[in-house]
Amino acid sequence: EAQVTQNPRYLITVTGKKLTVTCSQNMNHEYMSWYRQDPGLGLRQIYYSMNVEVTDKGDVPEGYKVSRKEKRNFPLILESPSPNQTSLYFCASSSLPGQRYSPLHFGNGTRLTVT
Amino acid sequence: AQRVTQPEKLLSVFKGAPVELKCNYSYSGSPELFWYVQYSRQRLQLLLRHISRESIKGFTADLNKGETSFHLKKPFAQEEDSAMYYCALRVGYGGATNKLIFGTGTLLAVQP
Repeated sequence: EAQVTQNPRYLITVTGKKLTVTCSQNMNHEYMSWYRQDPGLGLRQIYYSMNVEVTDKGDVPEGYKVSRKEKRNFPLILESPSPNQTSLYFCASSSLPGQRYSPLHFGNGTRLTVT
Repeated sequence: AQRVTQPEKLLSVFKGAPVELKCNYSYSGSPELFWYVQYSRQRLQLLLRHISRESIKGFTADLNKGETSFHLKKPFAQEEDSAMYYCALRVGYGGATNKLIFGTGTLLAVQP
């Protein structure tokens, strides 16, 4: 089944303790992206990647890192989490077929709480 | 500035009533707009896009460039339509990026 898989689904941690949220897709998609969803703010893009070893900042990249060593994986890294990073995180992927729009496929989300 | 505005956080209607979820956008280029839906305990998924001018699950949306709007409509709401709906604007064409700017979402609640 074609899908985007995020882990974990729920995570509670403390300020400053490094964590990684994994994202994997099995559709051979070039494009992958991370969003955070906050009440009243909708979804905001954190980072995106056009292909292996190609990443760039989205609208709210501060406090986050990503890597794209393999096409299928796009982990989100919080080196020193803070309470304002408490949020619901979504990973998404799509192909990049030139001008035509390729729908984003979303993961199930990771609810992160930083105390 | 690139922006998507969904003015209603919550829209509550009765089954069988018409539904209109509002979406306005701000974009200097030629807009490409979408509606995404998130049912309870499910992931976000594409509902429809303006370019294909399709009707999905009875929903339609027309791009009005004069009013910079892309409202989502359905003539008769069903209980299974209850979900969070997001309007999204694609920015950056030509394969350079597939970035979507999302609105803040509208929760549609269809009462029996």
